[in-house]
Amino acid sequence: ETGVTQSPTHLIKTRGQQVTLRCSSQSGHNTVSWYQQALGQGPQFIFQYYREEENGRGNFPPRFSGLQFPNYSSELNVNALELDDSALYLCASSPRTGVNTEAFFGQGTRLTVV
Amino acid sequence: AQSVTQLDSHVSVSEGTPVLLRCNYSSSYSPSLFWYVQHPNKGLQLLLKYTSAATLVKGINGFEAEFKKSETSFHLTKPSAHMSDAAEYFCVVSDNTGGFKTIFGAGTRLFVKA
Repeated sequence: ETGVTQSPTHLIKTRGQQVTLRCSSQSGHNTVSWYQQALGQGPQFIFQYYREEENGRGNFPPRFSGLQFPNYSSELNVNALELDDSALYLCASSPRTGVNTEAFFGQGTRLTVV
Repeated sequence: AQSVTQLDSHVSVSEGTPVLLRCNYSSSYSPSLFWYVQHPNKGLQLLLKYTSAATLVKGINGFEAEFKKSETSFHLTKPSAHMSDAAEYFCVVSDNTGGFKTIFGAGTRLFVKA
């Protein structure tokens, strides 16, 4: 069974640029969530996708957007990058949506905005 | 509105002594509560979850947590710490009000002394 994989592992971008982060969910999982974890803080929920539809969103501006594909893999897109977007971005997949469901996390993409 | 407060940013114990990591939550509805652990350079892993079936929840690696509604607490305990328990621990609350949302606490760093 393959776990959650994220790419790239590290990325450096310039302020104002756009970035796309990718996530392959664990086999059999149809739900993907994205989180932003700044240094020394807990992860903050960005949004969740279930069967290619967004079904929950945290307090992030519209320049944070996402996609989920028919194979349940997912992308996180961030436009007009700001210095404060520098963080570890975590993807988590689940076998179903719902508040009781465990999330399986990838190791993250470390984004640095300069 | 949901919130999670982890009362200690750092906890230090000696190997073989009990561990107590404290978490208080606020939720408008019956919450789903989780504890996750994050080891350095590893992905977040679920320790245990509360989903209203039983107030005392047993997790992996000897950890357990007790849900106390009157105190709005969900403290994590382990009778005897092991060196391998040194990590960051996160208390998490989820609900489906207005769409799926999940909130992580700021985390508690556990240090285990030999």
